[in-house]
This record gives sequence, structure tokens and C-alpha cells, in this order.
Amino acid sequence: GAGVSQSPSNKVTEKGKDVELRCDPISGHTALYWYRQSLGQGLEFLIYFQGNSAPDKSGLPSDRFSAERTGGSVSTLTIQRTQQEDSAVYLCASSLEGAVGYNEQFFGPGTRLTVL
Amino acid sequence: AQSVSQHNHHVILSEAASLELGCNYSYGGTVNLFWYVQYPGQHLQLLLKYFSGDPLVKGIKGFEAEFIKSKFSFNLRKPSVQWSDTAEYFCAVNGKGGSNYKLTFGKGTLLTVNP
Repeated sequence: GAGVSQSPSNKVTEKGKDVELRCDPISGHTALYWYRQSLGQGLEFLIYFQGNSAPDKSGLPSDRFSAERTGGSVSTLTIQRTQQEDSAVYLCASSLEGAVGYNEQFFGPGTRLTVL
Repeated sequence: AQSVSQHNHHVILSEAASLELGCNYSYGGTVNLFWYVQYPGQHLQLLLKYFSGDPLVKGIKGFEAEFIKSKFSFNLRKPSVQWSDTAEYFCAVNGKGGSNYKLTFGKGTLLTVNP
């Protein structure tokens, strides 16, 4: 079946602009996660959704970052007034469930964001 | 707070050499442990995982890892690497209680295997 998909695959934007990154999880997966991978860094947890609610937003680095999930499926990560330090690969993952037991997280290909 | 340390940033080996990538974690409780791999141009994918039981776990493509609780380590091994093993390898941990959905990753080790 189809895996996690993300769009766009690459995004170049100017400092100060807003960007939206999209994630389509695997069908039937109730849990969805956003991570960020900056140059030379490991993956950094941003936010976790169970269904449409986000019980853990602790990883969002500033109030310029927000995310939503609708219909228990597609999620959008929005970065407002982008800064150069926001340049990174943004990865989305999904799993059958989240906090109830552990289920393997399947990752998408990522969106490479470059802020000029 | 939990953390993961991978000792090697870049490892270069010749084909047929043995591989061991180090991973140490810090966490105040029982953990699940993972190794993920990212081949060039591909998605991050699970290589192997440890939840409980036998501390020696076997994954895909001949990889294995050993959980040593006393050393807070989960090193990845392969007896004989191939050129196709060239990739970036990430060790990750999550706790069994509380926020057990959240994976904490190390910074990764880039493995280059020369033919």
C-alpha cells in the first residue's frame, strides 16, 4: 500500500514569508508525528497528533510554528515569518496508534525547506 | 530528559569489513530502542528494534544489535558489510511510560562502504 507522502518535496522561500508543509499519513494510522532534521543534527520531535488532537506540542520551537490535522488524516505544518534557522528537512511519520502501546512509526520522504 | 549519543559521525569501511556503530542513551526508566537507516535518496526506515526479552536482536539485511542495560548501550553490528550498506544510521529511544510515542534520535552515523 501507499506510504506516508509529503509535499512539496522542496521549498525555497524568502525570509519573512509563511510556508505550509503537508503530510498524508498511511490510511488507517491514527497517530501522526512531525520531526525536523537540521544539518548535522538528529531528528528533533516537533508535535504528535492522536486523531485530530495534538496532546503534545512541546517540540514546536516557537509560536511561529503551528500544525493541524483534519479528518484524522492529512496534517499541515505552518511556519509563519520564516527565519534562516528554520531551514531543515521536515519529516512526517505515522503509526497505527500512539501512546497506547507502541507501533512502528513509518516516515515520509520529507520536505526540504530552504529559507533565503 | 532523554538523550541519545552516537559516537561516530562518519565511518568508512571496505567491503567485507566488520561494522560496529556505537549508541548510548540516557533515560530515567525502561526503554524501547531502535535503529533506523536512511539509504541515499530514500525514506528513513526501521532496521531493528528492541522492546523486551532477548537483548540480542536481529534485523533486516544481516544487522543485529545488543542491548546492554548496565551500559545504557545499544550498539549496531554487522559481520561483513557490503557497498549497498552505505547509508546514514540513526539510533533512537522512547520510554515505555508517559510520552512513549516520542522518539528521541541520535545525530546519526554516516557509513561509507568502499567497493
